[in-house]
Amino acid sequence: EAQVTQNPRYLITVTGKKLTVTCSQNMNHEYMSWYRQDPGLGLRQIYYSMNVEVTDKGDVPEGYKVSRKEKRNFPLILESPSPNQTSLYFCASSLSFGLSGAADTQYFGPGTRLTVL
Amino acid sequence: AQSVTQLGSHVSVSEGALVLLRCNYSSSVPPYLFWYVQYPNQGLQLLLKYTTGATLVKGINGFEAEFKKSETSFHLTKPSAHMSDAAEYFCAVSDEGGSYIPTFGRGTSLIVHP
Repeated sequence: EAQVTQNPRYLITVTGKKLTVTCSQNMNHEYMSWYRQDPGLGLRQIYYSMNVEVTDKGDVPEGYKVSRKEKRNFPLILESPSPNQTSLYFCASSLSFGLSGAADTQYFGPGTRLTVL
Repeated sequence: AQSVTQLGSHVSVSEGALVLLRCNYSSSVPPYLFWYVQYPNQGLQLLLKYTTGATLVKGINGFEAEFKKSETSFHLTKPSAHMSDAAEYFCAVSDEGGSYIPTFGRGTSLIVHP
């Protein structure tokens, strides 16, 4: 089954304790991205990746890191989480990036609900 | 730069009534337009999209949307609401003008009353 998986689905942590949220897709997609969803603010993009070893900042990258060492995986790293990073996080992927990819459908993972105390 | 405005953060309808969720966009070049739906405790999934061709687009679960270039709109409709339609709906726009990355609206929560 074609899908985007995220782990963990729920996480409660404390300020400053490094954490990683994993994201994996089995569709051989080039483009992957991370969003956070907050009430009233909709989806805001954190980082995206056009292909292996190619990443760029989205609208709200502060406090986050990403890496893309393999095509299928795109982990989100919070090196020193703070309470304002409490949110619902989504990973998404699509077939390609660029001119041919602008019309592609985004496939979303099930979400990770993060609480930072 | 592209942008999306969804009018109304919440829309409430009775079961069986018409559903109308509004989306207006701005784009300097011809847009690609999407509607995604998010059911409770789930990720977003594509409802329908407009790329080229016919401006009336039909999607899953009886939803459809019409691209109106003159009005820069892409409103989502369904003739008769069902309880199972209660969800968050997001309009998104992308184009070939440079960034290629979709921009999402803030979402509209559809509430369906029995």
